[in-house]
Amino acid sequence: KAGVTQTPRYLIKTRGQQVTLSCSPISGHRSVSWYQQTPGQGLQFLFEYFSETQRNKGNFPGRFSGRQFSNSRSEMNVSTLELGDSALYLCASSGTSGDYNEQFFGPGTRLTVL
Amino acid sequence: AQSVAQPEDQVNVAEGNPLTVKCTYSVSGNPYLFWYVQYPNRGLQFLLKYITGDNLVKGSYGFEAEFNKSQTSFHLKKPSALVSDSALYFCAVRVASSGNTPLVFGKGTRLSVIA
Repeated sequence: KAGVTQTPRYLIKTRGQQVTLSCSPISGHRSVSWYQQTPGQGLQFLFEYFSETQRNKGNFPGRFSGRQFSNSRSEMNVSTLELGDSALYLCASSGTSGDYNEQFFGPGTRLTVL
Repeated sequence: AQSVAQPEDQVNVAEGNPLTVKCTYSVSGNPYLFWYVQYPNRGLQFLLKYITGDNLVKGSYGFEAEFNKSQTSFHLKKPSALVSDSALYFCAVRVASSGNTPLVFGKGTRLSVIA
């Protein structure tokens, strides 16, 4: 079974631009979560989608948004990029909506904002 | 709100010695607890989880963890460390509820196993 894939793997943008990151979950998985990982803040939860509906949202500004498509693929968008948005963005999928399910992570997208 | 604390940023252990990576949690309600490992330039890999039942949970690569409700801890252990275990380890907690709460991670502990 193919794992979680994220595209692109690396991205360089300048302040003020916007960016869209893509995540394809494991086949059959309907839950997709996004996290931001930075050396200072660790792993911070962005949002979680299940069957195209946002189930949970972390404490991030409205510049961060996401969506999930009917095939469970998900995208996240960051508008008006700031230097502090430089991070590794991780996507994770799980099979059902059960809170007890482990998540399977993709390799991440490394975003650098100049 | 739930939270996870990993009190050690770095743990050093000699190869062949037992290792422990500490984790304490705080939740309102019963917890679901997880350990993940991250190798350089990779995403997180699931190691093990506690949902209910036996307090000692066995996972991948010879790792195990013990759930201690009174101490609100879920320490990760391995009887004999390998150099290849060197990585960043994350503990995570989720409240066992129907409210679909998010998974909350600790800040991570870097494990270094020295040959």
